[in-house]
Amino acid sequence: AQKVTQAQTEISVVEKEDVTLDCVYETRDTTYYLFWYKQPPSGELVFLIRRNSFDEQNEISGRYSWNFQKSTSSFNFTITASQVVDSAVYFCALSEVNRDDKIIFGKGTRLHILP
Amino acid sequence: EPEVTQTPSHQVTQMGQEVILRCVPISNHLYFYWYRQILGQKVEFLVSFYNNEISEKSEIFDDQFSVERPDGSNFTLKIRSTKLEDSAMYFCASSYGGMNTEAFFGQGTRLTVV
Repeated sequence: AQKVTQAQTEISVVEKEDVTLDCVYETRDTTYYLFWYKQPPSGELVFLIRRNSFDEQNEISGRYSWNFQKSTSSFNFTITASQVVDSAVYFCALSEVNRDDKIIFGKGTRLHILP
Repeated sequence: EPEVTQTPSHQVTQMGQEVILRCVPISNHLYFYWYRQILGQKVEFLVSFYNNEISEKSEIFDDQFSVERPDGSNFTLKIRSTKLEDSAMYFCASSYGGMNTEAFFGQGTRLTVV
């Protein structure tokens, strides 16, 4: 069973539009962590956020915000006023604390911001 | 800002050859990892390493793969006899307290097997 699902394979939006990247996860653990990573065209993985399962507060960091909803097992990522430099592949990921020490990545969403 | 460094950035090798991918984790980190990303696909866990031994490995990490921390600073991934399907981006990562703390990834080594 896929543990992290990013249903949007590819999204294109025009610069300055807001865009939300969806992430749905699956776990039986009560303690887990969720992550978002950005992979720009240069290929590296850039850490964006880590959220533990006990903290459902939404988080905002500049133009980025994250909406964590345990009831729907979702951890969505919104970019406000998108910019061309936001073009990248974005990965949602899950770590199950009591199971093992690894991150399970989703398949990623490729985001194109059009000028 | 501390960072995880990987060398080389790109390695081309002939099928059947041995390759060693090198990583220098962040100096006070205790947990080390290798992940792999076949072109256009998701990032997959290969192996975790703690206290000088493998703590976990995936089914991808078969007998052709090995890891080593030879000198207290480097962390290497060796592929004994490369296959075409080993072509991928290989990421090293390190963390202080395990993957549940913030893990830092290196910039990756692109391995091309021809």
